[in-house]
Amino acid sequence: SQELEQSPQSLIVQEGKNLTINCTSSKTLYGLYWYKQKYGEGLIFLMMLQKGGEEKSHEKITAKLDEKKQQSSLHITASQPSHAGIYLCGAGLSSGGYQKVTFGTGTKLQVIP
Amino acid sequence: ETGVTQTPRHLVMGMTNKKSLKCEQHLGHNAMYWYKQSAKKPLELMFVYSLEERVENNSVPSRFSPECPNSSHLFLHLHTLQPEDSALYLCASSQEISETYEQYFGPGTRLTVT
Repeated sequence: SQELEQSPQSLIVQEGKNLTINCTSSKTLYGLYWYKQKYGEGLIFLMMLQKGGEEKSHEKITAKLDEKKQQSSLHITASQPSHAGIYLCGAGLSSGGYQKVTFGTGTKLQVIP
Repeated sequence: ETGVTQTPRHLVMGMTNKKSLKCEQHLGHNAMYWYKQSAKKPLELMFVYSLEERVENNSVPSRFSPECPNSSHLFLHLHTLQPEDSALYLCASSQEISETYEQYFGPGTRLTVT
């Protein structure tokens, strides 16, 4: 089975600082999702990467998938308190009209004003 | 209402009780999912329904019984639960768009088993 390891497990940064979260897979990634979760709530979709070397950005968040498709990173530029939450990466495995997603261990981010 | 809704948001039940969690999606998606999120454990997939048919059961104990009466509704029936079943239960739905299956999540039901 596929396993995803995220690092760091938790992160505390000063507002305005940049930060990077990593996601490493035990197997090749065919679809890599990044989600954000506010404590005790549902997940919000951020981005999805499929191709080796792919990079996507949305506002101040940039996600990359390495060429070998086994590692992804999520970079936040000039962090704000609104970025606080738990960031989860997920590996998707498609199967006829739906997709099983294996999630990583999560990274808890706190941003200090 | 829009998106994915779940009721109740909080539930406390005894080990001998029977209760049900409800999920409703207003997105026209054809796949729905149940996930369990426990403290300090990765989010775990429990069940998947595609076109109202159960297609995945991730070795979930029989005290959890899912039901999908139509494409918009998903239930999780609970009976004779154990304290270790206390967790956040999340429902999600998805629709394939250009080989992407972005899953939309509900806010979850926080379950406490006493």
